[in-house]
Amino acid sequence: ELKVEQNPLFLSMQEGKNYTIYCNYSTTSDRLYWYRQDPGKSLESLFVLLSNGAVKQEGRLMASLDTKARLSTLHITAAVHDLSATYFCAVDLIGGATNKLIFGTGTLLAVQP
Amino acid sequence: DGGITQSPKYLFRKEGQNVTLSCEQNLNHDAMYWYRQDPGQGLRLIYYSQIVNDFQKGDIAEGYSVSREKKESFPLTVTSAQKNPTAFYLCASTEVANEKLFFGSGTQLSVL
Repeated sequence: ELKVEQNPLFLSMQEGKNYTIYCNYSTTSDRLYWYRQDPGKSLESLFVLLSNGAVKQEGRLMASLDTKARLSTLHITAAVHDLSATYFCAVDLIGGATNKLIFGTGTLLAVQP
Repeated sequence: DGGITQSPKYLFRKEGQNVTLSCEQNLNHDAMYWYRQDPGQGLRLIYYSQIVNDFQKGDIAEGYSVSREKKESFPLTVTSAQKNPTAFYLCASTEVANEKLFFGSGTQLSVL
C-alpha cells in the first residue's frame, strides 16, 4: 500500500526566512505533485514532477524529486505572509493509466510578520 | 472561462437521506475524480472515471455511488449507508495522465 508522509505537519516561520517541507513515499513512483490549499478553498496546482532529479521553481517556491530516495522537497525562500497555506504533496501509483493520486496529510504553513 | 463547477457549496443531510453532489466541467477532460477531505487531513479518493459510462472505485467507495452519463458531468451520491459523511468533497478532472488535476471549489457536507 502506498503511503505518503509529510513533515513537518505544522510550520510557523518568520518572513524572510528559508525552510523546507519534506514528502516521503513508500513505494515506487515517478510522478509527484505539489498543491496549495487556502482555508476553506480548493486545491491549486503548484508543481508536477515527472522524473528523477526534476526541479521546478515558481517565485519563492522550488520543488525537487529524488525517486531513488522516494523523497520530494518543497523549499521556501525568503517567506512572505502570502505563502501562508496548507501544502500537500501527492504521489501517483506507477504504471497507472490515470492520475490515481495518494495525498500526504499536508503541511500547514504560517508565515509571521 | 473553463473550469470545474461544484454545487452546492454547502449541503446538509438528514439521517437516512441520500444526497447528490454535482460536478460539471467544461474543460473537455476525459478523466474525473471525487475526493473526500476530513479536517486536518489529506484527500482520499472515492471514485474516478476515465471515460463516459465507466468508473472505478477508489480507496473509500463504500457508502457512495457515481454515474458518468455525460463527459462533462460526474455526480456523487452520498447514500444512507455512509455513516460518517461530514467532510469537504472535492471534484477534479484532467485531460491525460501525468498532467495536473484541476479541482473544483468543493462542497462542505454536514449531517443534521
